[in-house]
Amino acid sequence: GQQLNQSPQSMFIQEGEDVSMNCTSSSIFNTWLWYKQDPGEGPVLLIALYKAGELTSNGRLTAQFGITRKDSFLNISASIPSDVGIYFCAGRSTSKLTFGTGTRLQVTL
Amino acid sequence: DAGVTQSPTHLIKTRGQQVTLRCSPKSGHDTVSWYQQALGQGPQFIFQYYEEEERQRGNFPDRFSGHQFPNYSSELNVNALLLGDSALYLCASSFSTSSYEQYFGPGTRLTVT
Repeated sequence: GQQLNQSPQSMFIQEGEDVSMNCTSSSIFNTWLWYKQDPGEGPVLLIALYKAGELTSNGRLTAQFGITRKDSFLNISASIPSDVGIYFCAGRSTSKLTFGTGTRLQVTL
Repeated sequence: DAGVTQSPTHLIKTRGQQVTLRCSPKSGHDTVSWYQQALGQGPQFIFQYYEEEERQRGNFPDRFSGHQFPNYSSELNVNALLLGDSALYLCASSFSTSSYEQYFGPGTRLTVT
């Protein structure tokens, strides 16, 4: 099945650093969502974006819905050890979600 | 407020067998979607149930079937299991099919030997 392209695939950063990741698609989506998944658990919704060009924040997380509706970006400021995990973007068309390939984030002290 | 719950947590089956996985949606939600997540990949949409009917289906064979009960809980059935069916099966619930936000359960880890 289709999966969206996420980059980078993985990243190691130091605590306190800012993190950026993005997600691109060949298809247009009406909604973009960002999830975080910890080992052995299901994805947890972080941010939802509903309109092209929209910029939304949730604490240290900021996400943007690309103008073309084919991409989205997630930034994490001042990373902390509990930010470790896999981040997935998901695009929504009709009522199903199409997920990205994931970005694995590891934070070192 | 209970979130999405799934059972069992883990399951080991043999090729050719059949399996049933269960999901209870978050309180107040009436729509259940099922996803398959292979190791190292993002979840892939299997199908969605609303008002006890399958409303949308992803690119999965007919061996994958489901059911939704009047209390909105749902089952995923997989027949004639293949080794490639080994994965984490995730259930997600939402309020109506038009809701933008889906909330996921912890998943059922299925291993086919």
